[in-house]
Amino acid sequence: DSGVTQTPKHLITATGQRVTLRCSPRSGDLSVYWYQQSLDQGLQFLIQYYNGEERAKGNILERFSAQQFPDLHSELNLSSLELGDSALYFCASSVAGGLNNEQFFGPGTRLTVL
Amino acid sequence: AQSVTQLDSHVSVSEGTPVLLRCNYSSSYSPSLFWYVQHPNKGLQLLLKYTSAATLVKGINGFEAEFKKSETSFHLTKPSAHMSDAAEYFCVVISPGGYQKVTFGTGTKLQVIP
Repeated sequence: DSGVTQTPKHLITATGQRVTLRCSPRSGDLSVYWYQQSLDQGLQFLIQYYNGEERAKGNILERFSAQQFPDLHSELNLSSLELGDSALYFCASSVAGGLNNEQFFGPGTRLTVL
Repeated sequence: AQSVTQLDSHVSVSEGTPVLLRCNYSSSYSPSLFWYVQHPNKGLQLLLKYTSAATLVKGINGFEAEFKKSETSFHLTKPSAHMSDAAEYFCVVISPGGYQKVTFGTGTKLQVIP
């Protein structure tokens, strides 16, 4: 158990809908990272927040957005969902702000878009 | 430009025999290199990382990797495979500096035969 929690575990929704994925980092970690893992695209880094501020951006679509709250939990919002957004979404956390710090991964949220 | 190539999508070894998972990278900078492991239905776990210190890096569970700049390789090895090593392994490259870019390999599935 990494200490990173993600909810929900599974999510099934329809095209065009909007969903919110939630992540609670390990106690004491200031950075939160979001990743997408799909059969088509493999693992991709989406975005990082450090202590409430956006720190790094990867291949995140404009339909997706994220934020980190004062209690350091983070939410990933996915809107106008398409079939291709079906994937496993991982959150990770680390103590410091650099991408090359050791990251601890949550168990993931499996999103299915029908 | 930055890229990662994991040369084998599947590797099968017998329990107790050596493991070799190959990774080649391309980067315009001196990157940090990582190996992560993903067990079925789990998040990723860091095995080891290279960040420009010693070229032979030791990780958890008996794994190690050698950074070879001349060959642009970062192959993962273990002297003796255990059944619990069966998982998917990802090689990851992160570029240095203010604008960090994360690139994942496509993964190598390791099967361990009893």
